[in-house]
Formats: sequence, C-alpha cells, structure tokens
Amino acid sequence: NAGVMQNPRHLVRRRGQEARLRCSPMKGHSHVYWYRQLPEEGLKFMVYLQKENIIDESGMPKERFSAEFPKEGPSILRIQQVVRGDSAAYFCASSRGTGRIYEQYFGPGTRLTVT
Amino acid sequence: DAKTTQPTSMDCAEGRAANLPCNHSTISGNEYVYWYRQIHSQGPQYIIHGLKNNETNEMASLIITEDRKSSTLILPHATLRDTAVYYCIVGGSEKLVFGKGTKLTVNP
Repeated sequence: NAGVMQNPRHLVRRRGQEARLRCSPMKGHSHVYWYRQLPEEGLKFMVYLQKENIIDESGMPKERFSAEFPKEGPSILRIQQVVRGDSAAYFCASSRGTGRIYEQYFGPGTRLTVT
Repeated sequence: DAKTTQPTSMDCAEGRAANLPCNHSTISGNEYVYWYRQIHSQGPQYIIHGLKNNETNEMASLIITEDRKSSTLILPHATLRDTAVYYCIVGGSEKLVFGKGTKLTVNP
C-alpha cells in the first residue's frame, strides 16, 4: 500500500521563477488537500480538491498560487513568480471521502527554498 | 483559529504511558475529535479519532469526557520514537485546522 507521494522532496527556486509541486494520493482516494508550514509555524490549510474540481480554496493566497487535480495524473500546486516568503514545507494529504469520518493521510512534503 | 487548547510541552519516561490532554469546550454535537502527530519535520501522521465513545487502535487510546468538552490521548507504552508534536483537532470535515499542539518528549 503506497502512501501519499509527493515530488520533488526538495525544490530550490530563484526569486521570480515558477515552482510546481506534485502530489499523488493514496490508491482509492479521490480527495486531495494542500497545507503549508512556514518555518517555525503551524500547518495552514490552503486548498481542497476533488478530481477536476476545486472545492475549497479559502486558504490559498489570491495571487500567484493555483492548484489542480486533473482526471488523470497527480494534483499540482503551482506557485508563479516565487518570492522568499514562499519558502516553506508544502504537504499534501488525501482521503477516501469528505466528512467527519474520513481521516486524511499526509505525504512527506516538499521543501521549497527560494533564493 | 483552532478550537482546541493543549499544553505547550510535556515529558514522559520511556516505557511509561503518555497522557496528552486537550480542551475543546466549544465543540459542536456533530464534530469529531481527531489526533495527529508530526515527528520532526515529517508529514503529519493520523493517530485516532472519536465522536462520543472511547476509542482504541494499535497506536493509542482516546478518552472523551461525557460532556465532550475535553479528551485525552493515551500512548500506553511511550518509546523514543513517539517524540513529536501532537495535535488535537476538532471538526475534521474537509480542512483540518491545526493549532500549536503539544511537544511531547520521551526521555530514556
């Protein structure tokens, strides 16, 4: 049973470049969530997606950030024109469904460093 | 904001039970209590969840008070590998709202 997979595990980008973070949910899971953890801070929800749909993006910054979960392939979190403040650990989680009885399983995270 | 209150840190001796408390006095009747932990800088790990009844699995036990305003996570025989930040989360529907959690240190 493969868990949630994220790649790359570490990503270095210069200011102004684009960062693409990938997340493959657990087998049988059709719900994906992205969270961000800034250095020395707690985890913050960013976005919740189902296949081909964004369900809740209330935690996403309004500019430069976007997410998708296509019918085929992994979920992608895209950050355009990165700035130093985007340096953080980005975690993806997946669940079988939504609601109070479905726990979320997290991937190992992608550590983004913006130089 | 998180709807839970947890101690900032706790210590436990290896092999002893670790009891981590959580207050959630504003919990709604249909909200669950979830526990996750984060070891060092790894991805959070699901531990257990419950609604009203006490729950037990291979990792831990969850004791929820009758009024549901507080709960306790019990690690029956703590090991050094249980050193982590433990998060108590209320709700669990869709997005998880993480607080600061409890930093548990298991000492040899």
